[in-house]
Amino acid sequence: AQKVTQAQTEISVVEKEDVTLDCVYETRDTTYYLFWYKQPPSGELVFLIRRNSFDEQNEISGRYSWNFQKSTSSFNFTITASQVVDSAVYFCALSETITGNQFYFGTGTSLTVIP
Amino acid sequence: EPEVTQTPSHQVTQMGQEVILRCVPISNHLYFYWYRQILGQKVEFLVSFYNNEISEKSEIFDDQFSVERPDGSNFTLKIRSTKLEDSAMYFCASSDPSTGAAKNIQYFGAGTRLSVL
Repeated sequence: AQKVTQAQTEISVVEKEDVTLDCVYETRDTTYYLFWYKQPPSGELVFLIRRNSFDEQNEISGRYSWNFQKSTSSFNFTITASQVVDSAVYFCALSETITGNQFYFGTGTSLTVIP
Repeated sequence: EPEVTQTPSHQVTQMGQEVILRCVPISNHLYFYWYRQILGQKVEFLVSFYNNEISEKSEIFDDQFSVERPDGSNFTLKIRSTKLEDSAMYFCASSDPSTGAAKNIQYFGAGTRLSVL
């Protein structure tokens, strides 16, 4: 069963536009963690944000913000005022307490920011 | 800033050969992981390692794979007899299981691209 779904495979935006990346997850665990990672063209995986299941407060960190809604099992990620350097593949990931520490990654969303 | 280091960045090998991928996790971390990413696909979990033993492994991690922490700093993934389908990017990660802001965050290395010919 697919635990993390990123329905958007590719997105293109013009620089300075806002863009939201969607993530829907599936779990039977009551305590879990959700993450967003960025994979630039150089290939490394860069940690961006973490959210735990018992805190639905949404936050903003610089140009990044996220919207976590347990009722819809969604964890969406927004970049405001996008920049060319934001061009990358973005992965949503889930970590469940009952299955240990392994991450379940989505298939990724490739974001291209056009100058 | 501490980081996970992986060597080599690119490994080319012949089918049937053994390869060892090396990783130096962040020094105060206690959990270590290997993931792989076949080109254009999602990142898949292989194995996690804690307290000198495997704590979890996926179906991908069969008898051809093994992991080892030979000393206090290195964490290795060995593939005994490589197959064409083992060609992928292999990521090492580490995490700190203690409480606090860093709990459960896995920090990834830059990856080793394995090409099996």
